[in-house]
Amino acid sequence: SYVLTQPPSVSVAPGKTARITCGGNNIGSKSVHWYQQKPGQAPVLVVYDDSDRPSGIPERFSGSNSGNTATLTISRVEAGDEADYYCQVWDSSSDHPWVFGGGTKLTVL
Amino acid sequence: EVQLVETGGGLIQPGGSLRLSCAASGFTVSSNYMSWVRQAPGKGLEWVSVIYSGGSTYYADSVKGRFTISRDNSKNTLYLQMNSLRAEDTAVYYCARDEWGGRSWYFDLWGRGTLVTVSS
Repeated sequence: SYVLTQPPSVSVAPGKTARITCGGNNIGSKSVHWYQQKPGQAPVLVVYDDSDRPSGIPERFSGSNSGNTATLTISRVEAGDEADYYCQVWDSSSDHPWVFGGGTKLTVL
Repeated sequence: EVQLVETGGGLIQPGGSLRLSCAASGFTVSSNYMSWVRQAPGKGLEWVSVIYSGGSTYYADSVKGRFTISRDNSKNTLYLQMNSLRAEDTAVYYCARDEWGGRSWYFDLWGRGTLVTVSS
């Protein structure tokens, strides 16, 4: 089955740019989706299809995907961005195609 | 308002059964792919099961043969029947609506989740 690898943690100072990576074999050939989850809350979709944002998500959230790495970029980080972030792909070649990365804890210093 | 509300979680002994419900409002469950996703305490997200709009169902290997996903179109509600529960099934269970983005599926709407604790 397809495996997605995320760093367990990323730290960033307020106002700076955070980059959270999601690694997978030739992930650039797949669509990558990103979710934000704050403590005690359900996940929220923040980026879909590599780089599109749902309505209501700030432009500070952006995504890219190429080669073996997809990246969620959060510009001008705010304290309220502190959360767990998960990448997800749909692996059409699998019987269980919905795959999540292990998650990254974003800490705002 | 478009939303999903899960109910039915609780404390259950190993080997027991539980049925989770997910009531949808603002859209039609049967017209969408609908999934269950779980999250063990302090762990990441794990996809559990999906029911397609046409009725086909699929399961993660970890629950295959023990869990059954279904829906009641008249109640606009999604279900997850969980049998032969194990300690490792302890998790918050979310129902989620699948959306097709043109190239793949993702979850555009989530419920708040319901906690299932399997313990003696």
